Amino acid sequence: GAGVSQSPSNKVTEKGKDVELRCDPISGHTALYWYRQSLGQGLEFLIYFQGNSAPDKSGLPSDRFSAERTGGSVSTLTIQRTQQEDSAVYLCASSLGPGEGYTFGSGTRLTVV
Amino acid sequence: QKEVEQNSGPLSVPEGAIASLNCTYSDRGSQSFFWYRQYSGKSPELIMSIYSNGDKEDGRFTAQLNKASQYVSLLIRDSQPSDSATYLCAVSRPPDKLVFGAGTILRVKS
Repeated sequence: GAGVSQSPSNKVTEKGKDVELRCDPISGHTALYWYRQSLGQGLEFLIYFQGNSAPDKSGLPSDRFSAERTGGSVSTLTIQRTQQEDSAVYLCASSLGPGEGYTFGSGTRLTVV
Repeated sequence: QKEVEQNSGPLSVPEGAIASLNCTYSDRGSQSFFWYRQYSGKSPELIMSIYSNGDKEDGRFTAQLNKASQYVSLLIRDSQPSDSATYLCAVSRPPDKLVFGAGTILRVKS
C-alpha cells in the first residue's frame, strides 16, 4: 500500500482482556517496528522485525506482550491480560532496511478501563 | 546520560523568524540522523535525513550534522504557525534501530 496501515485506530478494552493490534507495512519494506507513546511522552521501542531474522524483542515491557510477523509483511501485536498502564498510542513503522528512516502508521490508541 | 537529548521547550518564535532545534547524541557509531515532526494527536512524519557532516537543505528546512561534536540541528527558515509541532530527533543505533529523543515543542506565533 501507499503507507503504513494500522487497525483499529481506537480500541477501548476492559482490564484483563486480551487485545490484538494490526500493522500492514509499506510494500517492499523489510523492516517493521512497534513503538508506543504514552500521553506527553517520547517513543518507547517495543519490538523489531527484519526480513526472516529472529525479531528483536528487547523492548517488550513484560511477557504479556508478544508480536508476530507473517510472511514478512503484516504484523500483529498482542497484549494479554491488559492493565491500565498499557493505555497508550501504539505506533507501527516500516523502513527499507536497518538504519533507514521510518514511515509511521497513524497508530492505535488503546484505552484500558 | 540519555542516548539522544533534546531540549523539551517550548521554543517560541515569531512568524517569519528562524527556528533552531538542537539534538545531541552519545553513540559515536551512529551514522544516520533524522528529524521527525509530530503534530498533536498525530504520528511522527519524517521531514529530514542527514548522513554526513555539514548542511543539508530542503526548502525551508536545513539539517546540520557535526559528528565530532555529536550534534545535530534543524533550522526552519521563515517559520509559519503551521510549523508548530513537536520535533523529534532520531539517531541510528548500530546495527539496526533508531533511537528517538523526547522531542522539542515548537510554537510559532503569528
